[in-house]
Amino acid sequence: DVKVTQSSRYLVKRTGEKVFLECVQDMDHENMFWYRQDPGLGLRLIYFSYDVKMKEKGDIPEGYSVSREKKERFSLILESASTNQTSMYLCASRSNRVLGNIQYFGAGTRLSVL
Amino acid sequence: AQSVTQPDIHITVSEGASLELRCNYSYGATPYLFWYVQSPGQGLQLLLKYFSGDTLVQGIKGFEAEFKRSQSSFNLRKPSVHWSDAAEYFCAVGARNQGGKLIFGQGTELSVKP
Repeated sequence: DVKVTQSSRYLVKRTGEKVFLECVQDMDHENMFWYRQDPGLGLRLIYFSYDVKMKEKGDIPEGYSVSREKKERFSLILESASTNQTSMYLCASRSNRVLGNIQYFGAGTRLSVL
Repeated sequence: AQSVTQPDIHITVSEGASLELRCNYSYGATPYLFWYVQSPGQGLQLLLKYFSGDTLVQGIKGFEAEFKRSQSSFNLRKPSVHWSDAAEYFCAVGARNQGGKLIFGQGTELSVKP
């Protein structure tokens, strides 16, 4: 089974802090994604990565950056956390060697910024 | 613009009753289509997918979905709902040439009455 692990289930941070959300997958997937989930808005794509050291902006990249130094790990960085970044963050991974766009998700990190 | 619409924000059904969750999409070509389920506090789990071929697809947990090209719809159904089906359900679409990105609907929250 594919396993996507997000390092924290819950995080509480203060406004202005630099925040790192970590995601690791164990299936040698090329593609990795970070989403933000808010009630009534579904999942919105923040950033994605086609492969190591490659990244591309999604629909709502403002206020976020990402890092992918190793294939299995994709980090989401909030350079200076703000209260409007309080949300559920979901990481996903996908193989581009398999037909279709099946993404496999981690359990999510619920971030509160005070 | 590409979009996915789930018209029902919240649905309540009685245990044992049938269920249909609606999903409509706007896309330039026939996309890949997915339904995911999210139990409280969890990540997303794939229920079923449509890539091509038979327009009625079977998934896990007794769910099925039908792709109707003429209506741009991919509705999810289950003949008899169980209390454990209470969760949030997301419809998603992806293009065959867009690097694995998905567009998600807003989600439908399902409550099950005993």
